[in-house]
Amino acid sequence: GAVVSQHPSRVICKSGTSVKIECRSLDFQATTMFWYRQFPKQSLMLMATSNEGSKATYEQGVEKDKFLINHASLTLSTLTVTSAHPEDSSFYICSWGRGETQYFGPGTRLLVL
Amino acid sequence: AQSVTQLGSHVSVSEGALVLLRCNYSSSVPPYLFWYVQYPNQGLQLLLKYTSAATLVKGINGFEAEFKKSETSFHLTKPSAHMSDAAEYFCAVSEGGTSYGKLTFGQGTILTVHP
Repeated sequence: GAVVSQHPSRVICKSGTSVKIECRSLDFQATTMFWYRQFPKQSLMLMATSNEGSKATYEQGVEKDKFLINHASLTLSTLTVTSAHPEDSSFYICSWGRGETQYFGPGTRLLVL
Repeated sequence: AQSVTQLGSHVSVSEGALVLLRCNYSSSVPPYLFWYVQYPNQGLQLLLKYTSAATLVKGINGFEAEFKKSETSFHLTKPSAHMSDAAEYFCAVSEGGTSYGKLTFGQGTILTVHP
């Protein structure tokens, strides 16, 4: 399967700070990628769909000004959690689309104190 | 709109026993269906997918799933469980078209395999 990396794998930050998560597709290029989050003992929930060179499309209930997505190239996307609060603590997972299949990164665990 | 229901948040089997993880879906158009596995603190790994070809789909690690339109089901099976199969399994649906690639996940089923 395809390889997707995320960095960092784990981050702890203070409330009010911003955190940037990087997601790379290592062995294929794609126009479209997705950001998900997973709260403890829950399933993955789609946050936003991002197309290279365009503004991201956010799912209902996800604040676009809080979760900034930069899709700089066909292999790199970043998610910035601005002014993070404890309720933003979650497991953030990115995926890249190839055909009808999504290839997921290993995830970034964010803990906001 | 699409949705996925996984029956049973926890399934426990003995090593060597049959694994059956249930998934029912709802979709307004012919769906694409997926099973993913997640090991602790890791991302999701694709096990198998149905994309309107053969209704019996074979995946990695000996898993397979059968698409049954009349039952709106896509249950995951493995004839003989191995200790390494212990993980959380997610069923997901995509509608394609303009929603191509957007996945809706089920709640997940934690599979425990005991000796």
